[in-house]
Amino acid sequence: GAGVSQSPSNKVTEKGKDVELRCDPISGHTALYWYRQRLGQGLEFLIYFQGNSAPDKSGLPSDRFSAERTGESVSTLTIQRTQQEDSAVYLCASSPGMARTSYEQYFGPGTRLTVT
Amino acid sequence: KQEVTQIPAALSVPEGENLVLNCSFTDSAIYNLQWFRQDPGKGLTSLLLIQSSQREQTSGRLNASLDKSSGRSTLYIAASQPGDSATYLCAVRRPMVDDMRFGAGTRLTVKP
Repeated sequence: GAGVSQSPSNKVTEKGKDVELRCDPISGHTALYWYRQRLGQGLEFLIYFQGNSAPDKSGLPSDRFSAERTGESVSTLTIQRTQQEDSAVYLCASSPGMARTSYEQYFGPGTRLTVT
Repeated sequence: KQEVTQIPAALSVPEGENLVLNCSFTDSAIYNLQWFRQDPGKGLTSLLLIQSSQREQTSGRLNASLDKSSGRSTLYIAASQPGDSATYLCAVRRPMVDDMRFGAGTRLTVKP
C-alpha cells in the first residue's frame, strides 16, 4: 500500500519568506510526527499529532514554526519568516496506534528545505 | 534526559565482512528501540524494531540485540554487501513522552 508521502521534495526559498510543508500519512494512522534533520546531525523531534490534536508544542524551535492536521489525515508544517538556520530535511512519520505506545513509526522521504 | 549515542560515526569495510554497529542510551526506561537505514537524500527505512521486553530481532542478514539494563543495542550485519552502504540510525521510544530520540548515525561504506 501507499506509504507516507511528503511534498514538496525540495524547496528553495529566500530568507524572510514563509514556507508550507505537507505530509500525507498512511491511511488510518492516527499518530503523526514531524522531525527535522540538519546537515550531518541526527533527527530532532518537533511535534506530534494524535488525531487532529497536538498535545505538546514545546519541541517546535521557535514561534515561527506552527503545524496543523485536519481530518486525521494530512498535516502541514508552516515556517514563517524563514531563516538560514531553518535549512534542513523535514521528515514526517505516522504510526498506526495511539501515541505513547510501542507502535512502529513509518517515515516519509522528507522535504529538503534550503533558505538562501 | 534521554541521550542516544552511536559509535562509530563512520565505518568502512570490505565486502563480505561481518560488522557490528553500536547504540547506547542513557535512560533504560524505553518502550522500544528501532534501527533505521537512511540513504543519501532519502527518508528513513525501518530495519528492525525491538520492544522493551525483547532481547533481539532478526531479519535476513540483520540481527539487532537490546540490553535495556545497560542501555545498549547492537546491529549485526552479516556478509556485508556494497548495497548495505548507508547511514544507520538507532532511535528509542520513551514511555509517556511522545517522541523518539535518535542517535547521530553511523555512516557505513562497504567496498566491493
